[in-house]
Amino acid sequence: SQQGEEDPQALSIQEGENATMNCSYKTSINNLQWYRQNSGRGLVHLILIRSNEREKHSGRLRVTLDTSKKSSSLLITASRAADTASYFCAQVPTGANNLFFGTGTRLTVIP
Amino acid sequence: NAGVTQTPKFQVLKTGQSMTLQCAQDMNHEYMSWYRQDPGMGLRLIHYSVGAGITDQGEVPNGYNVSRSTTEDFPLRLLSAAPSQTSVYFCASSYRSRELGTEAFFGQGTRLTVV
Repeated sequence: SQQGEEDPQALSIQEGENATMNCSYKTSINNLQWYRQNSGRGLVHLILIRSNEREKHSGRLRVTLDTSKKSSSLLITASRAADTASYFCAQVPTGANNLFFGTGTRLTVIP
Repeated sequence: NAGVTQTPKFQVLKTGQSMTLQCAQDMNHEYMSWYRQDPGMGLRLIHYSVGAGITDQGEVPNGYNVSRSTTEDFPLRLLSAAPSQTSVYFCASSYRSRELGTEAFFGQGTRLTVV
């Protein structure tokens, strides 16, 4: 399986706190992406980081990538109740177009 | 702008029945794919297509067929449904770009139950 893994599987925080999710993967990559899924809905793309990038920001999101450790992290700052969702990392292996997803982190933000 | 449209949203099948899950996109994306999502397993790639007339297998292709006769449509066929195929199925599309990398757009999913 080319699936990565995410840690933690579930995370519960208070509104206003920061949330950090980690992702590990197995092969060399072209890029790594993070997606969000609200309960029962489709996935929505959040951010993409390429293999030659180490950090990327988008609004309250900060993504880091360490290709030597085959790992990435997603930081959501100043969390809101509306951030409650599952978050998935997905990798595009080198030379491929396919996205391979991790198992996801379930984030609950308590108002 | 519809994006990626999947039909039906819900389906119950009896073991052994066949059916087709429909997926259509209106963004002129070359790349389309099907995933299944099971609890604790994340999303697993079933089949994918890099353009009309071209399809290939993903991680878990057994029991499923696909075809890509047009850029817009990428149907997934269950040949003889089994309870192990009970899952939520997602279709996704994106531009095909190896060097730049692009985001995928997902449909809202089809929840399939095989009894």
